[in-house]
Amino acid sequence: AQSVTQLDSHVSVSEGTPVLLRCNYSSSYSPSLFWYVQHPNKGLQLLLKYTSAATLVKGINGFEAEFKKSETSFHLTKPSAHMSDAAEYFCVVSELGSNYQLIWGAGTKLIIKP
Amino acid sequence: NAGVTQTPKFQVLKTGQSMTLQCAQDMNHNSMYWYRQDPGMGLRLIYYSASEGTTDKGEVPNGYNVSRLNKREFSLRLESAAPSQTSVYFCASGLWNEQFFGPGTRLTVL
Repeated sequence: AQSVTQLDSHVSVSEGTPVLLRCNYSSSYSPSLFWYVQHPNKGLQLLLKYTSAATLVKGINGFEAEFKKSETSFHLTKPSAHMSDAAEYFCVVSELGSNYQLIWGAGTKLIIKP
Repeated sequence: NAGVTQTPKFQVLKTGQSMTLQCAQDMNHNSMYWYRQDPGMGLRLIYYSASEGTTDKGEVPNGYNVSRLNKREFSLRLESAAPSQTSVYFCASGLWNEQFFGPGTRLTVL
């Protein structure tokens, strides 16, 4: 069965410093993995996705994530945080043959300090 | 190209009332989904429709019904609303394993 664990419910960083949001997953087969972002009182936007091509995936707004099968991880990073990055971030897994059902992590709230 | 649209944006119901949340997509996607989002939790799948004419239960279907009216539209009905159904509801449509989300409906049941 698929599952997703986001290791931190809140992450606080200063503007201009690196961001690391951690995600571990469990999947029986080859998973697809996603990061979505939700700004306050807004809808959900896809940041990036991994679908068995390159293990380092680049997304929008300078974010990237690395798929590490041996560690069952898909951590999200950004070299330099911007105030506009303050939002909630969700790690999501989908498994082939699951009718493309998405299994969502609980979310990590990213706080940017000026 | 509006993407995924949902109506209404906000709704307040009394316990026992019924209502239908509407969702439409203009991306010609086969799959459509209804989720709910509660504080401190990720989205949970209520129902989905892999193609026109089919619907299936997700993780939390109790208290809800759905209708896939045509390829564009997928509605969610609460027959007898309960306070536990207070939540934000998101509709999505999908192409393979990528889903596109509507802006959400914030529902409060008193």
